[in-house]
Amino acid sequence: GEDVEQSLFLSVREGDSSVINCTYTDSSSTYLYWYKQEPGAGLQLLTYIFSNMDMKQDQRLTVLLNKKDKHLSLRIADTQTGDSAIYFCAEGSYNFNKFYFGSGTKLNVKP
Amino acid sequence: DTAVSQTPKYLVTQMGNDKSIKCEQNLGHDTMYWYKQDSKKFLKIMFSYNNKELIINETVPNRFSPKSPDKAHLNLHINSLELGDSAVYFCASSQARGQAVDNLSGLFFGSGTQLSVL
Repeated sequence: GEDVEQSLFLSVREGDSSVINCTYTDSSSTYLYWYKQEPGAGLQLLTYIFSNMDMKQDQRLTVLLNKKDKHLSLRIADTQTGDSAIYFCAEGSYNFNKFYFGSGTKLNVKP
Repeated sequence: DTAVSQTPKYLVTQMGNDKSIKCEQNLGHDTMYWYKQDSKKFLKIMFSYNNKELIINETVPNRFSPKSPDKAHLNLHINSLELGDSAVYFCASSQARGQAVDNLSGLFFGSGTQLSVL
């Protein structure tokens, strides 16, 4: 079955770049997503990448996709304390409207 | 406001009780979901409905019964609650296949219902 894996924790200093990594197994995935969850809140869609793209940039966020290795990463430039949250990688296929999430990476940004 | 809204936000109840969580979306989406997030933050799909029809049921005990009266609503009823049911339950919605474009792709989530079974 589908499997999405992420490391559980990442700690960076304010102003540094953060890189959160994710691996997935379903090669039929159409979209790959990054979601952010702040304490006590639901998941907020940050960005996504279509499976035929290698890179997508959106302001401080850069998503890189290595389809051959089934590896997805999210880079946050100039990380701020407000970026502290849990970041979920997810893969989705529109064949059956299925989405599978990783376990989440807790990003801690130290002042 | 356009959103996925679910109620209640908090639900504290005794073991053995029956409870319901309601969800509504006004985004015009065709597909709705229930996800369960455990204490380790792992998010697992439970059910998915497309235009009121069940399309995903991921090995969830039959004490959990989703009901979709129309495509904008997906409610979750839980019978005979157990301690292990304690978790945060998220409702979500998405556009039907073939219609996802730009920033409208992906899942839109409600803010979650924290269920505590005592």
